[in-house]
Amino acid sequence: GENVEQHPSTLSVQEGDSAVIKCTYSDSASNYFPWYKQELGKRPQLIIDIRSNVGEKKDQRIAVTLNKTAKHFSLHITETQPEDSAVYFCAASKGGSEKLVFGKGTKLTVNP
Amino acid sequence: EADIYQTPRYLVIGTGKKITLECSQTMGHDKMYWYQQDPGMELHLIHYSYGVNSTEKGDLSSESTVSRIRTEHFPLTLESARPSHTSQYLCASKGQGTEAFFGQGTRLTVV
Repeated sequence: GENVEQHPSTLSVQEGDSAVIKCTYSDSASNYFPWYKQELGKRPQLIIDIRSNVGEKKDQRIAVTLNKTAKHFSLHITETQPEDSAVYFCAASKGGSEKLVFGKGTKLTVNP
Repeated sequence: EADIYQTPRYLVIGTGKKITLECSQTMGHDKMYWYQQDPGMELHLIHYSYGVNSTEKGDLSSESTVSRIRTEHFPLTLESARPSHTSQYLCASKGQGTEAFFGQGTRLTVV
């Protein structure tokens, strides 16, 4: 089955700096890669996603890149703000199975 | 309002008791999932369902069981709770689109 590795497990940055979180997946048939943000005490919520037919997607300060050959994808947050502090999860799934497998999560702390 | 609801939000129960965690969604989604979330963050898939009368075990072995008799309802049952079952349990649902929506979670403590 699919296995998703996520790094780093913790990340601390200064406000205004960029943050990058990386994930690798094992199943080359996976074609959908979402990123979820979970604030303390709250439920995970989708912030951005990418399909395998696209190499990069951007939404304001966040962007995701996908390298299908290497089977890895990354989340980039620019101009970080304290409200970006949360746990971020990457995930992978493939059409047909729809089983959503998550990475272990990255706790991002943005220091003011 | 279309959403996914979990009850109870918090539960403290004694060892050996039978419990059922409720999950209902009003979004008309066919796929539903149960995740167990460690205090250290990781989301472990323990059960999923593609539709009515469909249930599958996830990647993390769990002593819990699920049922899917109605599209909107996906309850999780522990026949005999143990302290090792103490965790947060998150229910999620997914329709024809790609986004999965999560419930608020049930924080279970077994004493």
